[in-house]
Amino acid sequence: QQQVKQSPQSLIVQKGGISIINCAYENTAFDYFPWYQQFPGKGPALLIAIRPDVSEKKEGRFTISFNKSAKQFSLHIMDSQPGDSATYFCAASKGGGATNKLIFGTGTLLAVQP
Amino acid sequence: DVKVTQSSRYLVKRTGEKVFLECVQDMDHENMFWYRQDPGLGLRLIYFSYDVKMKEKGDIPEGYSVSREKKERFSLILESASTNQTSMYLCASSLRYEQFFGPGTRLTVL
Repeated sequence: QQQVKQSPQSLIVQKGGISIINCAYENTAFDYFPWYQQFPGKGPALLIAIRPDVSEKKEGRFTISFNKSAKQFSLHIMDSQPGDSATYFCAASKGGGATNKLIFGTGTLLAVQP
Repeated sequence: DVKVTQSSRYLVKRTGEKVFLECVQDMDHENMFWYRQDPGLGLRLIYFSYDVKMKEKGDIPEGYSVSREKKERFSLILESASTNQTSMYLCASSLRYEQFFGPGTRLTVL
């Protein structure tokens, strides 16, 4: 019940295309759903996050879509660029402060071809 | 900007050695975390700490221990390194929800 399942494992998209990465969770107590972006040789960094009281959040070319009833959320990258090539992790957590543990998905390696 | 630093980027150790990985954060965060990252497995939580001298086991604590004597410093200890502990180790800190990660230490155990 603590798992977050992420797909696909890898993704190749042409420049200008839409990249879509999906995640599913089981624990309905999760209340925070971030996406992290990791470039080679770097630690992950927060890209965008959503709470379950909204169905969509957009920041620039990045959008999270959230489906509470299906227990699924996805990251959409519009107009994908070669600079977006990275590994993306979805995650979920319950509560903040002392209980702020993130459960991460297994990651998606995105390659955007010029 | 929050800065999380890790003592080494690359480390090579021999089986049976005691290994110390150090992590320091400069934003007075209460929470600190140690993860290991392996291909196809994502980030798995080893230990975390929500206060000085406080620690809790994560999902894969076997073979590891931690120390947090000061708020800004969180150490991961491999008591007797084994080859299956070859991995990328990531440290993170947080105040509430967002976790800030260090650049990672790639540990190879021969």
